[in-house]
Amino acid sequence: AQSVSQHNHHVILSEAASLELGCNYSYGGTVNLFWYVQYPGQHLQLLLKYFSGDPLVKGIKGFEAEFIKSKFSFNLRKPSVQWSDTAEYFCAVNARGSQGNLIFGKGTKLSVKP
Amino acid sequence: DAGVIQSPRHEVTEMGQEVTLRCKPISGHNSLFWYRQTMMRGLELLIYFNNNVPIDDSGMPEDRFSAKMPNASFSTLKIQPSEPRDSAVYFCASSWTSTNEKLFFGSGTQLSVL
Repeated sequence: AQSVSQHNHHVILSEAASLELGCNYSYGGTVNLFWYVQYPGQHLQLLLKYFSGDPLVKGIKGFEAEFIKSKFSFNLRKPSVQWSDTAEYFCAVNARGSQGNLIFGKGTKLSVKP
Repeated sequence: DAGVIQSPRHEVTEMGQEVTLRCKPISGHNSLFWYRQTMMRGLELLIYFNNNVPIDDSGMPEDRFSAKMPNASFSTLKIQPSEPRDSAVYFCASSWTSTNEKLFFGSGTQLSVL
């Protein structure tokens, strides 16, 4: 069965600090990988996704993530965070070719201090 | 398009009462997902439908939970009888099955069972 592990429950940073949120998944086959973001009081929305090709994926708002197959990881990064990045971030995975069943990690809450 | 629409936004009920959550997916999407979000367990997939047919309901916690999708534009999640441990935010999401590139989430229903 697939599973997703996010290492940090809550991360607190000051503005302009660099961000890296860890995500590891467990699955023996080929996967699609996603990061979703949930801003306070809002619904989840897609930040970026990896299906194939260049393992370094760029998303919205300056976020990027790198797929490292050997480590089963898909860490999210941003060089310089802003107060508006305060949100909860969810890593998710599904099996390539599946018709659904997107499995989410438990989420990492990011608080950015102005 | 208005996006995925869920109702009600908030529901407060007493233990033992029946609760019905509603979802209208994005028009044309043929997959629909119900997720539950709690602090302890994060985002859990409860059930998902493809072309109105339930594909995987292994995430439904107990027989007290049931979900239906009578047509392509409407789904319900029912809890009968409700218990305090059911308190959570319930999200509905929809997508195109053929690509499954992106889930579109509703705003969620905040359920409190007293």
